[in-house]
This record gives sequence, structure tokens and C-alpha cells, in this order.
Amino acid sequence: EVQLVESGGGLVQPGGSLRLSCEVSGFSFSPYWMSWVRQAPGKGLEWVANIKVDGSERYYVDSVKGRFTISRDNVQNSVFLQMNSVRAEDTAVYYCARVRCSSTTCYFDFWGQGTLVTVSS
Amino acid sequence: HSALTQPSSVSGSPGQSVTISCTGASSDIGDFNYVSWYQLHPGKAPKLIIHDDNNRPSGVSNRFSASKSGSTASLTISGLQAEDEAHYFCSSYSGPSPNWVFGGGTKVTVL
Repeated sequence: EVQLVESGGGLVQPGGSLRLSCEVSGFSFSPYWMSWVRQAPGKGLEWVANIKVDGSERYYVDSVKGRFTISRDNVQNSVFLQMNSVRAEDTAVYYCARVRCSSTTCYFDFWGQGTLVTVSS
Repeated sequence: HSALTQPSSVSGSPGQSVTISCTGASSDIGDFNYVSWYQLHPGKAPKLIIHDDNNRPSGVSNRFSASKSGSTASLTISGLQAEDEAHYFCSSYSGPSPNWVFGGGTKVTVL
């Protein structure tokens, strides 16, 4: 059974840092791109970042560039999101998701249950 | 890319059909970028229900179907059941530097 389990969320002050983790099981981790997607309270989903199979390429939504860093460990079957200089608008449930690509497009075929990050003083 | 536009809510009685629209622009859905749909129940992991415009993953009920015309995609839930009450999000992917845009989500209520 494919499982993605996020951890590391919590309350953090504006300007602070937090590191999210996502441990996966039930599939071979290394061949897949992985992503982080978030949902702010009462808002829609927002893609945040994704990382290539070997970590050699990383992409971010403009609002987190320079502040967040996505990384992965193919031995630990985990993907991480280092969040620095957080802002109130980063408050959200953060999901990790597996990226699946067909010949025409890419989408998220498996997701974790999410971890809540609250940025507040 | 701006967010895709979805109605905030739709509702229907058990057994009925409901359709959720997802409107984009010529730069995303309308630019031959394929659409996927996700179901979110509170406190649970989001679930992929449609990819590549109208393909269902294994295990997803055939009561879910989707289509696309121009810059608008649609998800139809037929034979509405209580378990279908959830939020539904559409998404469009664009490359080559990969990124995704999502809709604001639609709450489906089963009356």
C-alpha cells in the first residue's frame, strides 16, 4: 500500500523556520519526482515546490522562492521542505505528493494526509 | 498563471448527477494543458480521481467522468452518493519548468 506521511508542522513565529518531512512507503521512491502542495485555511490548493528524482532540479512557486528549499533522501525514502523566513500567508496544511507523468502531462497520483503549519506571533 | 475558476458549491440529491466546471485561460487549460481532478475529504489525504482530462485511475468509480472544451473542463458525478460529499479541485499542468495551477475548489453537498 502506498503511504506518504508528513510530519514537522506546528506553530512558528513570523520570520522563523520549520522543516517538514514526508516519509514514503509502499513503492520504489527514487524513480519519482515529488512535490509539496499546500492549502491555506478556506482557500484552494497551491503547488509549492517539486524535486527531480535525483535532486538535480528543483522548482518553486514564486511566493516561496529564496525562502523554501525542497530536498530528498532516496535512502531514507523521504522528501523535505525547509521553510525559512516564514510569513503569516504561509499558514496552511502542507501535503507531500507523488508526481506521475504520462506522455502528455504530469499530475499528483498519491498524497499524504498533510501537516498543519501555523505562522503567528 | 492565475488560479482556475470553479463554483464554490454545488448540491444534489442521492442518485442525481452534478457537474463542476473549471475555467482557465488560453495560457493553461486552453493551451492544450491537460486537466486533473482531486477529491478532498476533511482530514484525509487528497485523492486523484481524473487525470489527462478524462482518465480514471484504477479503483475510482465510473460514476466520475470528465470532459474539456476550449478553456473549460468539467467533472460530472453521476448517481450521487453520500460518500461523494467532499471538496473537488481541478488542476492544470504546464511545463517545461514544471508547475501546476489549481482551482479554488467546489464543495459538493449531497442533500
